[in-house]
Amino acid sequence: EPEVTQTPSHQVTQMGQEVILRCVPISNHLYFYWYRQILGQKVEFLVSFYNNEISEKSEIFDDQFSVERPDGSNFTLKIRSTKLEDSAMYFCASSEGGGLDTQYFGPGTRLTVL
Amino acid sequence: ILNVEQSPQSLHVQEGDSTNFTCSFPSSNFYALHWYRWETAKSPEALFVMTLNGDEKKKGRISATLNTKEGYSYLYIKGSQPEDSATYLCAFGTSYDKVIFGPGTSLSVIP
Repeated sequence: EPEVTQTPSHQVTQMGQEVILRCVPISNHLYFYWYRQILGQKVEFLVSFYNNEISEKSEIFDDQFSVERPDGSNFTLKIRSTKLEDSAMYFCASSEGGGLDTQYFGPGTRLTVL
Repeated sequence: ILNVEQSPQSLHVQEGDSTNFTCSFPSSNFYALHWYRWETAKSPEALFVMTLNGDEKKKGRISATLNTKEGYSYLYIKGSQPEDSATYLCAFGTSYDKVIFGPGTSLSVIP
C-alpha cells in the first residue's frame, strides 16, 4: 500500500540553524500539508500546498517557514533560523483531492532545537 | 480564533464495553469534519470524513455522526477491544484544505 515517507526521523539542530524536513507524498496525490505537534499539545496545521503554491497557511507559518516541491516527488519544509520553540514533531500529509479527501500522514520527523 | 474541543480527554473502558466521545466545533464556516485514529509511535490514520449535517459513517465497530447546526460529532466504538486503544482526533475543516485539530481523546481498553 502506498505511504507517505518522511526523512529524517529525528533531527537535532542548534538554535539559529536552518533545517529542511523532507517528505515524499503518495505519488498520485495533489494536495500536500505540514502539521506539527509540540509535545503534550494539539496537532497544529501549518500549511497546505497545491499546484506548486501555498493554498492556506496558519498564523504559525511565518516568514521563518517555507515549503517547496523541488521535483516531482519531494515536498520540503524549511525553517530558516530555528528557535527553541520550534522543537516538535512535524508531520507531512497528502491527499488526492482537497479537504473532502482522506489525508494520509507520514510517520513524522522529531525536531529538537538545542 | 476557531477552536475544536474534544471530550473526555481520556477514557478507560473494559474490553467489550461500548463507548463514545464528542468533538465540538464552530457551527459557522464548516466545510468538513475528519476523525483520525492515532496509535502511539504511528501516524494518524483517517477514519471518516463527513460533510453533511446528519451524516453517519461506519467502519466495522466504529461509527460517527455529525450535527453541523449545533457543532458536534460523536464517535462510537461498539464492543471495545484492546487494539482500539489509541488517541482519537477530530479535525474541523474550515476551508477546502485547512483543518483545525482537536486535542484528542485518549482511549485505553483494559483486557
